[in-house]
Formats: sequence, structure tokens, C-alpha cells
Amino acid sequence: QSALTQPASVSGSPGQSITISCTGTSSDVGAYNYVSWYQRHPDTAPKVIIYDVTKRPSGVSNRFSGSKSGNTASLTISGLQAEDEADYYCCSYAGNKILVFGGGTKLTVL
Amino acid sequence: QVQLVQSGAEVKKPGASVKVSCKASGYTFTSYEIYWVRQASGQGLEWVGWMSPDSGNSGFAQNFQDRGTMTRDTSISTAYMELSHLRSEDTAVYYCARNFLGLGVWGNGTTVTVSS
Repeated sequence: QSALTQPASVSGSPGQSITISCTGTSSDVGAYNYVSWYQRHPDTAPKVIIYDVTKRPSGVSNRFSGSKSGNTASLTISGLQAEDEADYYCCSYAGNKILVFGGGTKLTVL
Repeated sequence: QVQLVQSGAEVKKPGASVKVSCKASGYTFTSYEIYWVRQASGQGLEWVGWMSPDSGNSGFAQNFQDRGTMTRDTSISTAYMELSHLRSEDTAVYYCARNFLGLGVWGNGTTVTVSS
């Protein structure tokens, strides 16, 4: 299983919006509506911020939103805040209980 | 509250095996699958495998299929992931996670260091 493709880094100023893309194939992202996104601050466990492409867990800010078109999923963070600076990973179901992650994107809030 | 607590750090020599535990609390252990994910220093997240605490069925990513074993003890709500024939590239932090609403709850992570 090949990793999903994410940009290595993105940046934005406080208050701005950014979008992180996650490109897979017709066997994973394109095949299932089971894309999730994880936020990871240094030395902490990842935290789910989006699951099933567009759903937000209870307690996650509505500044985070997800979408999908074809084989590419996207995470948008609006109204950037300093606390959003972290690594972000996408993850897709690929059938037969298999998960595949993206390589991760480092978000810098300028 | 729902919690997954993992065993402590391990240091192993190449060729050895390691067994990491993941103790669940705050929910019915057998109701949700447990997934394992690892992250090597400076690298991204990598899916390792999954297990059903109810049936005991499990599976590993291709990289681990010949070296991995997953077990559980439902009497103490604990899942185990064992990796054999360790090599230096297996040095990483290993996480267990409950598969519900994405990987909704994660363990605290177990650092496994493989070094001669």
C-alpha cells in the first residue's frame, strides 16, 4: 500500500484560511468515504479532527472542515490560530481493514 | 472516560521480539476494533495492523505480515501487539487506537528502540 500524498508544509497568517490536500487512488480515497484527518502536536498522540471525510468529532472547532473530490481529499482550516500550528495527517480506508496514511503536512502559523 | 494506556518503553537488540500492551478502560473492550500505528523519528504515521477484541481476528500491513502477532485478554481489557525479528528500522513510537469515529481515542504511545 502506497502512502497518500500530502504537501510537506503549508503556512498562513493568523485569521487566514489554508487547505491541505491528500491525494490517493481509486483504491483508497476514491473508493471509500472513510477519510480521516489527524492533528499532532510535538510529543503528543495524534488527535482526530475529521472523520468520514466531512464529520467533526464533538469538541473539535468548526474552523476545521473536510471534503473530497475523486481521489483527493482536503482539510481546510479557517481563521488560523497560533494553536493550529502542528503536523496534520490524512488517512484513508483501503478495504480489508487496511488503512493508509499520508506523509504528513507541517502547518506553520506565521 | 475512555482511555487506552500502553506499556512502557522498550529497548531491544536486533533480531529480538517486543510485546506492547494496550489497556482499555471506560468502554466495552470487545465492542471496537483496535488499530496499531507507529511513527519513527522524523517520519510520518504508518499503519501497522488491526485486531478485533471480540473475535480475536487480526491483520497486519504488508511490511509486518511475517513478523507480527496480535492477541488480547478480554478479562483485563488488554490488547497486545508483538513484533519479532526486530531491526533498527523498527525503532519508533507505537500507538494503539480505538477504531470509532475515525481513530477516535489513542494510547499514550510506547517507544521501542532497536539497537545493538
